[in-house]
Amino acid sequence: NAGVTQTPKFQVLKTGQSMTLQCAQDMNHEYMSWYRQDPGMGLRLIHYSVGAGITDQGEVPNGYNVSRSTTEDFPLRLLSAAPSQTSVYFCASSRWTGYNSPLHFGNGTRLTVT
Amino acid sequence: DAKTTQPTSMDCAEGRAANLPCNHSTISGNEYVYWYRQIHSQGPQYIIHGLKNNETNEMASLIITEDRKSSTLILPHATLRDTAVYYCIVRVENNDMRFGAGTRLTVKP
Repeated sequence: NAGVTQTPKFQVLKTGQSMTLQCAQDMNHEYMSWYRQDPGMGLRLIHYSVGAGITDQGEVPNGYNVSRSTTEDFPLRLLSAAPSQTSVYFCASSRWTGYNSPLHFGNGTRLTVT
Repeated sequence: DAKTTQPTSMDCAEGRAANLPCNHSTISGNEYVYWYRQIHSQGPQYIIHGLKNNETNEMASLIITEDRKSSTLILPHATLRDTAVYYCIVRVENNDMRFGAGTRLTVKP
């Protein structure tokens, strides 16, 4: 299994541009989520999904959209990039929703918005 | 939500056991304790988790006190590659992992 795969690894955008960060997992996990990591802030939850067709907002959802049309994929869309969205983005998945289900993380996408 | 408290940094000699403490005094009965680590800017790596019994896997051991208010992650024979930031997390209901500042472990030759 490849686990959780994120693309691209690095991206530079200009303010106002849009893009999609891709996330795929091959473990047949029900739960998927997106985090961003900023210096001194730890990881913060953006959006999450408990299964195909179901998404919900996390702690910092503004400026981001998600969809979950398949179990495997959970893309994160930036509609109009802002410098405040410069961050490292991590996608994660777990087998199911619940306390006893570890999250497995991808290796991140480093995004810079100028 | 249960909060966790960890030391900011720790050192360990290569080959010795690294014991990383965590306090989670407000943990509730069905919440698990998870440990992750992050090396440089890689994605957080799952290490181990437990509810109330001690747990062991190929990476580490997790010791949870009987009152569940604290735990210790043990890396039995630390290597230079174990230098990382270690996070102790209590899982909340919607699967959100609230990562704090963690403990920066430095393994020294």
